[in-house]
Amino acid sequence: EAQVTQNPRYLITVTGKKLTVTCSQNMNHEYMSWYRQDPGLGLRQIYYSMNVEVTDKGDVPEGYKVSRKEKRNFPLILESPSPNQTSLYFCASSLHTPRQSTNEKLFFGSGTQLSVL
Amino acid sequence: DQQVKQNSPSLSVQEGRISILNCDYTNSMFDYFLWYKKYPAEGPTFLISISSIKDKNEDGRFTVFLNKSAKHLSLHIVPSQPGDSAVYFCAARSAVVGYALNFGKGTSLLVTP
Repeated sequence: EAQVTQNPRYLITVTGKKLTVTCSQNMNHEYMSWYRQDPGLGLRQIYYSMNVEVTDKGDVPEGYKVSRKEKRNFPLILESPSPNQTSLYFCASSLHTPRQSTNEKLFFGSGTQLSVL
Repeated sequence: DQQVKQNSPSLSVQEGRISILNCDYTNSMFDYFLWYKKYPAEGPTFLISISSIKDKNEDGRFTVFLNKSAKHLSLHIVPSQPGDSAVYFCAARSAVVGYALNFGKGTSLLVTP
């Protein structure tokens, strides 16, 4: 089954304790992206990757890191989490970047609810 | 600066009636628009899309209308069903600028029996 898998689904942590949210897709997609969803703010892009070893900042990258060492995986790293990073996080992927082709659709994971105390 | 705006945070409609969800955008470079649907505890899923060369696209009970001159699109659901209750996100992309889908804040639709 084609899917984007995020882990964990729920995570409670404390300020300053490094954490990683994993994301994996099995569709051989080139483009992967991380979004956060906050009440009243919708979905905001954190980082994206156009292919292996190619990553770039989205709209709200501060406090986050990513890596793309393999095509299928795109982990989100919070080196020193703070309470303002409490949010619902979504990983997404598509075959190409949204710019490259018409009819391009993003496939989303089920989300990771992060609480930073 | 929000380039895709959904000004109605919520909408309540009776089962069987039409639901109309609205979306406005500011970037004239946007050329492809999508609607995503999100249930609680799930990720958004693609619903329907429209290219800027069209003004209407239909898929079963869902129709999206695009008014380029007004920079406005709308999603019509007819007839509405309780299972349509979800948050709907409007998204847009440019073929020449940026590498992201730009999302609106979402509209929470409640369809009551």
